Amino acid sequence: DGGITQSPKYLFRKEGQNVTLSCEQNLNHDAMYWYRQDPGQGLRLIYYSQIVNDFQKGDIAEGYSVSREKKESFPLTVTSAQKNPTAFYLCASSIAGPRSSYEQYFGPGTRLTVT
Amino acid sequence: EDQVTQSPEALRLQEGESSSLNCSYTVSGLRGLFWYRQDPGKGPEFLFTLYSAGEEKEKERLKATLTKKESFLHITAPKPEDSATYLCAVSTLVYNQGGKLIFGQGTELSVKP
Repeated sequence: DGGITQSPKYLFRKEGQNVTLSCEQNLNHDAMYWYRQDPGQGLRLIYYSQIVNDFQKGDIAEGYSVSREKKESFPLTVTSAQKNPTAFYLCASSIAGPRSSYEQYFGPGTRLTVT
Repeated sequence: EDQVTQSPEALRLQEGESSSLNCSYTVSGLRGLFWYRQDPGKGPEFLFTLYSAGEEKEKERLKATLTKKESFLHITAPKPEDSATYLCAVSTLVYNQGGKLIFGQGTELSVKP
């Protein structure tokens, strides 16, 4: 079955520690995205990548970093510089290109709790 | 400024009571409008893509329609299992915005038996 996997489902970290969230897709999509979801805030874009070895900041990139070394993988690192890291993190992917609508498909999410 | 607004924020229905959710949008060139369903603690599940005014799509009890300024998600004879948050999003034709979706805040639907 094609889809997007995120691991782990729940993650707990101490304040001051960096943590990396995994996202893998086997849909052969070019573009991948990371969102953060907080209660009452909707989905906010952190980073996105339309091609391997290239990525762009979204609306709330401060305190986060990403890499895109393989088409299938787009890991997100939440650094100690992120002031409010506790949130639900969602990864998505889509076909990219001038004829694409950029219809995005989402993974199951990772809930990160930092104490 | 590109913007998506959903209403109402929350909707409570009795089983079988049909209703509609609204998604109003302002974008500089619509590439696509998307509807998603999200259950608590899970990722959004893709429902529909609409591309141009007048287009309609259906799936079971759900029907999505699109005009030049808004989209409606009609729910016919809903069941308790339709309870979820419904998200609307748009992508634009602006070149350097390729891939970025603009999301609404969602409508939380509750269907009571």
